Amino acid sequence: EPEVTQTPSHQVTQMGQEVILRCVPISNHLYFYWYRQILGQKVEFLVSFYNNEISEKSEIFDDQFSVERPDGSNFTLKIRSTKLEDSAMYFCASIRGDNNIQYFGAGTRLSVL
Amino acid sequence: RKEVEQDPGPFNVPEGATVAFNCTYSNSASQSFFWYRQDCRKEPKLLMSVYSSGNEDGRFTAQLNRASQYISLLIRDSKLSDSATYLCVVTRDSNYQLIWGAGTKLIIKP
Repeated sequence: EPEVTQTPSHQVTQMGQEVILRCVPISNHLYFYWYRQILGQKVEFLVSFYNNEISEKSEIFDDQFSVERPDGSNFTLKIRSTKLEDSAMYFCASIRGDNNIQYFGAGTRLSVL
Repeated sequence: RKEVEQDPGPFNVPEGATVAFNCTYSNSASQSFFWYRQDCRKEPKLLMSVYSSGNEDGRFTAQLNRASQYISLLIRDSKLSDSATYLCVVTRDSNYQLIWGAGTKLIIKP
């Protein structure tokens, strides 16, 4: 069964460093999403991406965040200068387009020290 | 009012019992509805879509009430493995933007 894959599974970084979280969505999917979940809290929407551009973003997705789909398969989330409060699980998800069921990757746990 | 509201729980339920959760949503234009399940420190996984006519999948039954803008999930004959957080999800206008509830935590006790 096709799946969304995310790397790395765990990323440890120092405050102020840049991190890039990687996702490979399911190959025939058209819509891509990043979410984050702080430990013990709800799933929070960050950004959605369609047709090589951002379709919607939340208040959380400020200038420190950016997304790219550089080669038609990878979908990356970059955090330019990490803060302690960026520590969370980051989930990538994708939707095929003929239905709106989201399939999630296993997530990247980001720990900012 | 939150776009999607759920009772956070936890619901502590003995094994074998029946348990039901409700979820209310604020956007009357929402068209699609889902229940996802999330285990601790894992990704959300689709449990079932919710259709207007209601639908059943084994021990799980989902209902939609558009007039009152709520959806429900019923779990019969609960198992220890049903312990998880159950997330209510509805679409916004575009149908590809999903609004997530905060989840209801279920603990099944032996």
